[in-house]
Amino acid sequence: NAGVTQTPKFRILKIGQSMTLQCTQDMNHNYMYWYRQDPGMGLKLIYYSVGAGITDKGEVPNGYNVSRSTTEDFPLRLELAAPSQTSVYFCASSYPELEGYTFGSGTRLTVV
Amino acid sequence: AQSVTQLDSQVPVFEEAPVELRCNYSSSVSVYLFWYVQYPNQGLQLLLKYLSGSTLVESINGFEAEFNKSQTSFHLRKPSVHISDTAEYFCAVSPVAAQKLVFGQGTRLTINP
Repeated sequence: NAGVTQTPKFRILKIGQSMTLQCTQDMNHNYMYWYRQDPGMGLKLIYYSVGAGITDKGEVPNGYNVSRSTTEDFPLRLELAAPSQTSVYFCASSYPELEGYTFGSGTRLTVV
Repeated sequence: AQSVTQLDSQVPVFEEAPVELRCNYSSSVSVYLFWYVQYPNQGLQLLLKYLSGSTLVESINGFEAEFNKSQTSFHLRKPSVHISDTAEYFCAVSPVAAQKLVFGQGTRLTINP
């Protein structure tokens, strides 16, 4: 099925470890986003991209990095995991005409 | 900058009762408005949106929302809820000139039989 695919679905990291959250979309959307969701806080934008080779910071970028080498892929990198990064991470994509975002099913990350 | 306030963190209602989930926003520029729904252990799905035109928008499963510019509100309503409507609902806005959603804190709707 077409959509946004995130891997892994669950992950436990130790403090200081690094990992990459993968996100792939097959809808040829130019815009892609990474959000984190914390209880009672809604979703906060970490990074976004308006096309291959172009990325920009969102509201809460500290501790994360992204790259966008292709239209399809938008990985999120955590270099030195901290307990404050325990969260559920959602990747999303959209058309420029703002028909609404398509969200992935999320990655639940725990840092211990 | 934009901000969104969902006035209720939790709303319990009985099945077949009406419900209103409240959303207010703040923005110095024109915005588009959205409601998303998140069922347990799933990602967010678009429920309805207001881009322009009629201020009353409807979804395919009986929800509706009305854009009120003077009150900067976009409340979500349903005249009769079903158990399957149990979910968390998020209001969101995006500046017309930039495609970047800002979300509210979410409202957890619980339907009791």
